[in-house]
Amino acid sequence: ETGVTQTPRHLVMGMTNKKSLKCEQHLGHNAMYWYKQSAKKPLELMFVYSLEERVENNSVPSRFSPECPNSSHLFLHLHTLQPEDSALYLCASSQEPSGGADEQFFGPGTRLTVL
Amino acid sequence: GQNIDQPTEMTATEGAIVQINCTYQTSGFNGLFWYQQHAGEAPTFLSYNVLDGLEEKGRFSSFLSRSKGYSYLLLKELQMKDSASYLCAVRDNNAGNMLTFGGGTRLMVKP
Repeated sequence: ETGVTQTPRHLVMGMTNKKSLKCEQHLGHNAMYWYKQSAKKPLELMFVYSLEERVENNSVPSRFSPECPNSSHLFLHLHTLQPEDSALYLCASSQEPSGGADEQFFGPGTRLTVL
Repeated sequence: GQNIDQPTEMTATEGAIVQINCTYQTSGFNGLFWYQQHAGEAPTFLSYNVLDGLEEKGRFSSFLSRSKGYSYLLLKELQMKDSASYLCAVRDNNAGNMLTFGGGTRLMVKP
């Protein structure tokens, strides 16, 4: 596999469920990101990890819990979500969150629906 | 904080040229990116500008004016497959060099 992969592609869960989203990058990058994309809203940065350490937490509610066990894998653990959390969750990776033409490569996303 | 504005929707004809504008306000500008996102797919990188001027890449060009806080993406010889959302994103070195995205411009190319 190449690029950035995400599983599952679609997820429907109840408000009391616990689930996890998985992201894997095969690009040898050092930084990984979680974004939320809601209808008619800009992409919102949620979390950033650089060399497996969290460097950014954009005031995200604690019902979202990220985990980065190594530089190739990133998880987003979900619990007691709300219907307004329904969105497309995108994972991205880059060489590092610094200057230069360091574009981010995105995965296909997980379409999450919270009932 | 940052404010990034781009039109919500545009329509153009196959074979024509279209210009998608993006204006931004940021305290520590450190680069501007354009991404293309087809419905249901991941955003893909199109272009990067950090200095004033025009960057050309095949049918796509991107322009930046830092003094005006303005960029545009120019698409020439439009094809039906260019129907997608185009996202403008600004990197801010006062925000850990993270990207802030505009709301995206949905482009519809008609025959």
